[in-house]
Amino acid sequence: EVQLVQSGAEVKKPGESLKISCKASGYSFTSYWIGWVRQMPGKGLEWMGIIYPGDSDTRYSPSFQGQVTISADKSITTAYLQWSSLKAADTAMYYCARVSRELTRWFDPWGQGTLVTVSS
Amino acid sequence: DIVMTQSPDSLAVSLGERATINCKSSQSVLYTSDNKNYLAWYQQKPGQPPKLLIYWASTRESGVPDRFSGSGSGTDFTLTINSLQAEDVAVYYCQQYYSPPFTFGPGTKVDIK
Repeated sequence: EVQLVQSGAEVKKPGESLKISCKASGYSFTSYWIGWVRQMPGKGLEWMGIIYPGDSDTRYSPSFQGQVTISADKSITTAYLQWSSLKAADTAMYYCARVSRELTRWFDPWGQGTLVTVSS
Repeated sequence: DIVMTQSPDSLAVSLGERATINCKSSQSVLYTSDNKNYLAWYQQKPGQPPKLLIYWASTRESGVPDRFSGSGSGTDFTLTINSLQAEDVAVYYCQQYYSPPFTFGPGTKVDIK
């Protein structure tokens, strides 16, 4: 069974750094794209970016380019989303989701989500 | 970026009746080389992650009830829920995966009347 298990909720202060994770199992991690989606409180879904763990090819939405870093560690089949300096506006639920061997495909399945709260 | 819009923002439908959600893309998501529409539909229930319902605009994901159907081509698409059930109360999103960033529509909330 394909599973994506995300790290737990985080509460951070503005200016702090953060790295959240998405542990994949049940499939060949290096052969499928995996992406991140933001959902701000009470709002819709925003496509942030995607990585191919096989060669670390990464694509970002222009809205998130330079704001976050997406990475992956093949040895532990885990994808990451990180911030170097959080802002209150980064408060949101973040989902990871698998794509396909092909870049241009849908998200399925999804992780359970990681809630990030940034507040002074 | 391809901009996705949805209508209506929300709708309330009686149990057993039909719900129709529209999705429009700012440019065609029909890839002429394979004649496929690069569009998916997701369902998100409160407190849960989104769930894939339909891909290629009209192919139902395994396990999705057949009361859910997708149609359309090019820039205009529709998700239809026939005979609405109580468990269908959710927000529904369309997404294009034709060209990165693979943008989502703003969502349509479906409730019971």
